[in-house]
Amino acid sequence: QQQVKQSPQSLIVQKGGISIINCAYENTAFDYFPWYQQFPGKGPALLIAIRPDVSEKKEGRFTISFNKSAKQFSLHIMDSQPGDSATYFCAASQTGGSYIPTFGRGTSLIVHP
Amino acid sequence: DAGITQSPRHKVTETGTPVTLRCHQTENHRYMYWYRQDPGHGLRLIHYSYGVKDTDKGEVSDGYSVSRSKTEDFLLTLESATSSQTSVYFCAISESTLIGSPLHFGNGTRLTVT
Repeated sequence: QQQVKQSPQSLIVQKGGISIINCAYENTAFDYFPWYQQFPGKGPALLIAIRPDVSEKKEGRFTISFNKSAKQFSLHIMDSQPGDSATYFCAASQTGGSYIPTFGRGTSLIVHP
Repeated sequence: DAGITQSPRHKVTETGTPVTLRCHQTENHRYMYWYRQDPGHGLRLIHYSYGVKDTDKGEVSDGYSVSRSKTEDFLLTLESATSSQTSVYFCAISESTLIGSPLHFGNGTRLTVT
């Protein structure tokens, strides 16, 4: 059973465009939703994270939107740049319970110059 | 990068041979994890450790064993490698299980089983 479903699997965007990656989760006990960014040949690294007590979190060009009732969250990359080309993973975890993050299957983003 | 070193970075081995991958950290973090990354499957947890000599299974633990005799080292062993274990293996560490404590990943070991 896939607890965190991520889409699309791949995404191609022109420079300056908006990249949107979506995730949906099953377990309503999840209370922490991080996004990880992975460049080729490197391990994933934490990009941005959100807790369900807020509906949106913004850090620079990266924004997480969270819809608790729909059990969905998404990553928006504004003014996408070629340097944003990477694989993005959403994840979810539960304080005091399943504290180890469950990851989505990843989205390969390519930003064309 | 967090002080995580995975060795070797690349390995080719034959079916049926034992293989050990090493993760070494200099952060003195209590929690350590082994993931495998495969196209279309994302990151899947193999085993994890919550302290020296304290380990537990993840979702894809069959065919793998781990050991942690020191805080800084977490070893992943493939008892008898199979082609289905061809993958990129990532070690990760975290300081605590408190919310907001991120995983820090190493740069991976690419394993090919022929």
